Formats: sequence, structure tokens, C-alpha cells
Amino acid sequence: KQEVTQIPAALSVPEGENLVLNCSFTDSAIYNLQWFRQDPGKGLTSLLLIQSSQREQTSGRLNASLDKSSGRSTLYIAASQPGDSATYLCAVGANSKLTFGKGITLSVRP
Amino acid sequence: NAGVTQTPKFRILKIGQSMTLQCTQDMNHNYMYWYRQDPGMGLKLIYYSVGAGITDKGEVPNGYNVSRSTTEDFPLRLELAAPSQTSVYFCASSYSTDRGNTIYFGEGSWLTVV
Repeated sequence: KQEVTQIPAALSVPEGENLVLNCSFTDSAIYNLQWFRQDPGKGLTSLLLIQSSQREQTSGRLNASLDKSSGRSTLYIAASQPGDSATYLCAVGANSKLTFGKGITLSVRP
Repeated sequence: NAGVTQTPKFRILKIGQSMTLQCTQDMNHNYMYWYRQDPGMGLKLIYYSVGAGITDKGEVPNGYNVSRSTTEDFPLRLELAAPSQTSVYFCASSYSTDRGNTIYFGEGSWLTVV
């Protein structure tokens, strides 16, 4: 059974710092890996989707990488801003069989 | 664009009561999903549908029922509410489950069973 782990559960950084959020998974036979953002009291917004044949995806200040052999993905956020404060979840699998991590709650201090 | 719309946003139920969470999407997506999110936990799939008239169980289907009579709507019914069903419920949709297809979520329905 696929398990997805995100450590640490919470992270606080000063504004402007470049940071990396980690996601690990136990079964390397993944389909997709997706990173989501969740604001308090809101739903999930898809940030980046990496297909199993891809190594990374980029969108603006965000870059996500995928290393299936080691069972890891990282979300890199460049020049963090207070508006980046949210919970970031990663999920692996096809959309009908997504396994989610518990998320990392990021706080970016002004 | 409306995307995925869920109602109600908040609801308090008494043990044993029944209710339906409504979900509609305007993106003409074939696939729709219901997830629940418990505090500090990842999301778990309750039911999903691959198209009108077709539904299938997810990881935690017990205590819930769904129907899919149209492409747009995917209601989730709780028949006999129990405290264990206190959670945040998210409806989602996607065009397909093929590689590269993004999933879109609604804003959630907060349900408390007392």
C-alpha cells in the first residue's frame, strides 16, 4: 500500500528565503505526483503535476522535482513571500487512487 | 469560472440524522470524487464516479452513498450520521485519470455530528 510522508509538519521561515518542502513515498510505481496548496478554510489548489516519466515541473517561483528511484519529491519555493503561507500537500497516484500526505504548514514571516 | 461548487459550507447534524452534500461542476469533467479530511490527516477517498450512472467505492465508503445522474452533479448522502463522520468533505473533478490530468477541488463542507 502506498504511503506518503511529509516532514516536518510545520515550517516557519523569514520572508525572502528560498525553501524546500519534502515529500517521500513508499511505492515507486507512481502514476502522477501532484503538489497542492490549501489555505485555511479553503479547498485544495493544484500547483504542479509531474507525470511518472518526468523529472520536474516549474511554475513561476515554484519548482517540483521527482526522483522515483529514491521515492522522493521536493517542492522548491524561491524568494518566499508572506502570501506563500499555507499548507502544502503532495499526493501520488492516478486521480481515482490518490494517496495524500498530511501536509506541511508553511508560515512566511514578514 | 465557478469550477466545483459545494453546498452547504457548514452543517451540524444530530446522531442518526441524514443529509445530502451537494456538488456540481461546470467544466464538463467526466470524473468526480468525494474526499474527507480529518484534522491533521491527509485526504481519503470516499467514492468516485467515472461518468453519469457509474460510481465506485474509494478507501472509506462505509456510511455514505452517492449517485451520478448527470455529468455535472455528484451528491454525497449520509444516511445515519455518526460522530465519526465529523469531518471536512471535499468534492473534486477531473477530465480523466490519465497522466497529466489535474484534479480540481471545491472549497469544502464542514460537517459536525453531535
